[in-house]
Amino acid sequence: EPEVTQTPSHQVTQMGQEVILRCVPISNHLYFYWYRQILGQKVEFLVSFYNNEISEKSEIFDDQFSVERPDGSNFTLKIRSTKLEDSAMYFCASILDGQGAEAFFGQGTRLTVV
Amino acid sequence: KQEVTQIPAALSVPEGENLVLNCSFTDSAIYNLQWFRQDPGKGLTSLLLIQSSQREQTSGRLNASLDKSSGRSTLYIAASQPGDSATYLCAVTSTGANNLFFGTGTRLTVIP
Repeated sequence: EPEVTQTPSHQVTQMGQEVILRCVPISNHLYFYWYRQILGQKVEFLVSFYNNEISEKSEIFDDQFSVERPDGSNFTLKIRSTKLEDSAMYFCASILDGQGAEAFFGQGTRLTVV
Repeated sequence: KQEVTQIPAALSVPEGENLVLNCSFTDSAIYNLQWFRQDPGKGLTSLLLIQSSQREQTSGRLNASLDKSSGRSTLYIAASQPGDSATYLCAVTSTGANNLFFGTGTRLTVIP
């Protein structure tokens, strides 16, 4: 069964460093997303990506964050100058087509900033 | 802005019992509602997707209903098993947006 895969499963980084979280969405899906979940809190939307550009972003997704689809399969989230409060589980998701389609999530990357 | 609430926050039941989890949302203009399961420290597994035009969906022992006009959904789990222990999240896609708005979840424990 097709699935969304994320690497690494756990990343520890020092405050101020840059991290890149990687995702391979389901191959024929067109919309890609990043969400995050701070421990004990709701899953929150960060950004959506369609047709090689950002289609929507939340107020959380500021200049510290960027996304890229460097090739036909990978979808990355870059976080610059990490802060302690960036520690969270980051989830990648993809959907086949527009609104109304089922969202499929990866297993997440647990980011710990120390 | 869409707000999604889930009640109760935690639920503990003996094995074999039927149970209902509740989800409410403030803006009824939605495309769909999706129920997920999350095991501790793990990802989100999609359980059921209900389109805004549908009233319910079933998968095995799970049945989800949707009352869009009142902003409510329920997830019914029949004959609960210890393996059902997890956190259950509901999420909606509002019209005019293409992202999911999540509730805080219900943590279910099924006692053998």
